[in-house]
Amino acid sequence: DAGVTQSPTHLIKTRGQQVTLRCSPKSGHDTVSWYQQALGQGPQFIFQYYEEEERQRGNFPDRFSGHQFPNYSSELNVNALLLGDSALYLCASSLAGAETQYFGPGTRLLVL
Amino acid sequence: KNEVEQSPQNLTAQEGEFITINCSYSVGISALHWLQQHPGGGIVSLFMLSSGKKKHGRLIATINIQEKHSSLHITASHPRDSAVYICAALSDKLIFGTGTRLQVFP
Repeated sequence: DAGVTQSPTHLIKTRGQQVTLRCSPKSGHDTVSWYQQALGQGPQFIFQYYEEEERQRGNFPDRFSGHQFPNYSSELNVNALLLGDSALYLCASSLAGAETQYFGPGTRLLVL
Repeated sequence: KNEVEQSPQNLTAQEGEFITINCSYSVGISALHWLQQHPGGGIVSLFMLSSGKKKHGRLIATINIQEKHSSLHITASHPRDSAVYICAALSDKLIFGTGTRLQVFP
């Protein structure tokens, strides 16, 4: 049984570009949450998807958007990249209503 | 002020020492998570607790709901315990502390 997977593992972009990160949840999970973790900081909640809709959102600008597909996998899109978007992006999956989240290995994004 | 505060930020120890990491939170929670993050980023869930105490091997986690405080203890620490330990409070979403970087030397 595969756990949470994310792709790509590493990514380098330049300012102003757009990026798409992908997450496949643990088998049987229907809820996906995305987090941004800057170097030396704890993760910050970006948003959560359930039933293909954004259910909750943290304090991130509209440049951050997402999508959830019928198979529960999810994408995080970031437009007009800024240097400050450089971070580890973590995806976590869970069952709706459950308290335990399972984390993926993350995608490390570097914006130059 | 962060809603979830951890202390200390950095911790070094000699192999075999008893380690305590503290977490205080200011929000109402349904549960509190302790997570371990190794270099490279992967996060592993250690405990989820909403009351009392849980033990897994050399790791013990306690929570005091009235005082809004939790502790993670590591007994007989080992160099392989070196990692960042993060507490996360579950309210309507997970709110993370900034982590405690632990280094255990032989």
